[in-house]
Amino acid sequence: AQSVTQLGSHVSVSEGALVLLRCNYSSSVPPYLFWYVQYPNQGLQLLLKYTSAATLVKGINGFEAEFKKSETSFHLTKPSAHMSDAAEYFCAVSDSGGGADGLTFGKGTHLIIQP
Amino acid sequence: NAGVMQNPRHLVRRRGQEARLRCSPMKGHSHVYWYRQLPEEGLKFMVYLQKENIIDESGMPKERFSAEFPKEGPSILRIQQVVRGDSAAYFCASSPNGVSYGYTFGSGTRLTVV
Repeated sequence: AQSVTQLGSHVSVSEGALVLLRCNYSSSVPPYLFWYVQYPNQGLQLLLKYTSAATLVKGINGFEAEFKKSETSFHLTKPSAHMSDAAEYFCAVSDSGGGADGLTFGKGTHLIIQP
Repeated sequence: NAGVMQNPRHLVRRRGQEARLRCSPMKGHSHVYWYRQLPEEGLKFMVYLQKENIIDESGMPKERFSAEFPKEGPSILRIQQVVRGDSAAYFCASSPNGVSYGYTFGSGTRLTVV
């Protein structure tokens, strides 16, 4: 069974500092990987996705993530945090060729931006 | 270009009542997914449907829960005889052609069972 581990349920960074949110996955086949952001009382918005093309994926709002197969990781980064980045971030994985089409989500990381 | 529409946004039900949650996918999307989010938890997959067909319901509780996506109209997630443990946020997502395209999520229905 697939699993996703997000290290750190809460991450706090200063405005302007580097954002690094960690995600490790387990999958028996080459995966599809996703990062979603959720603002309070809203649905999830897709930030970026990896689907076996370039290993460095650029997303919206200045975020990017790098797929590292040897480390089974897909960490999310942003060079300079903005106050508006404060939200819950979820990493998710899906088998690229399996029968089921559902995503397995991590438990989320709450990003706090200090002024 | 309306996104995924879910209604109601908030739903309060007494124990034993039925809850009906509706989801209209984005225009042109024929794949619908339902997820449940419990407090302090990530989203848990429940069911995946295409028009008139349930493709994968491996995440659905065996009793009291059902889902449909008729030829006409929205997808419905139905919970019969609700219990306090059903209180959660239920999210619907849609996709034009499977997971590789990424999902578009609705804003969710927050069900409270009292």
